Amino acid sequence: GAVVSQHPSWVICKSGTSVKIECRSLDFQATTMFWYRQFPKQSLMLMATSNEGSKATYEQGVEKDKFLINHASLTLSTLTVTSAHPEDSSFYICSASGLAGRSSYNEQFFGPGTRLTVL
Amino acid sequence: DAKTTQPTSMDCAEGRAANLPCNHSTISGNEYVYWYRQIHSQGPQYIIHGLKNNETNEMASLIITEDRKSSTLILPHATLRDTAVYYCIVKYSGGGADGLTFGKGTHLIIQP
Repeated sequence: GAVVSQHPSWVICKSGTSVKIECRSLDFQATTMFWYRQFPKQSLMLMATSNEGSKATYEQGVEKDKFLINHASLTLSTLTVTSAHPEDSSFYICSASGLAGRSSYNEQFFGPGTRLTVL
Repeated sequence: DAKTTQPTSMDCAEGRAANLPCNHSTISGNEYVYWYRQIHSQGPQYIIHGLKNNETNEMASLIITEDRKSSTLILPHATLRDTAVYYCIVKYSGGGADGLTFGKGTHLIIQP
């Protein structure tokens, strides 16, 4: 149990275009989803936290108008990188925590990540 | 969240136990110790977490010192697939609702 998927696994786009990344919890209700970013040879950095049905909370320095997050259901969150530029090229990873039956998860379960390359 | 300190890298022979230390001397009473690992180009994987008692699951054991200022993650029989970056994270007990702060972690290399 506690499987999180991401789609696509990799994407290449031209500068100025928008890219949408999906994150799904496959076997539990993700009441909270998180989006992280990881640049080469660096650690993961939290970008934003979203609760189902609420606006996302962004970390300092992350532009909310550039990284649009939607968490419309308990199993799906999307991250849209608007007007992507080469400096947005990174590994984007989502994670989720929530409910499975009557148990709540204190740990987070991560998706496999999406590698974005902006040309 | 309390800060953690881990060695940058470690080597371990395949089949031996891998012991990964973590210092968290400023941990507070309601903070748990979580361990995650990240295999190259994949998302992190949850391993184990604990508060003050030692914990064991199918992946690893977690030994927390009595004063809770340090802990050790033990992989009992390391395999080549255990080569990864291991992150020790200290988190408030309601950790599911808060994002994780990843440090640099320990790059564990299992040698054949």
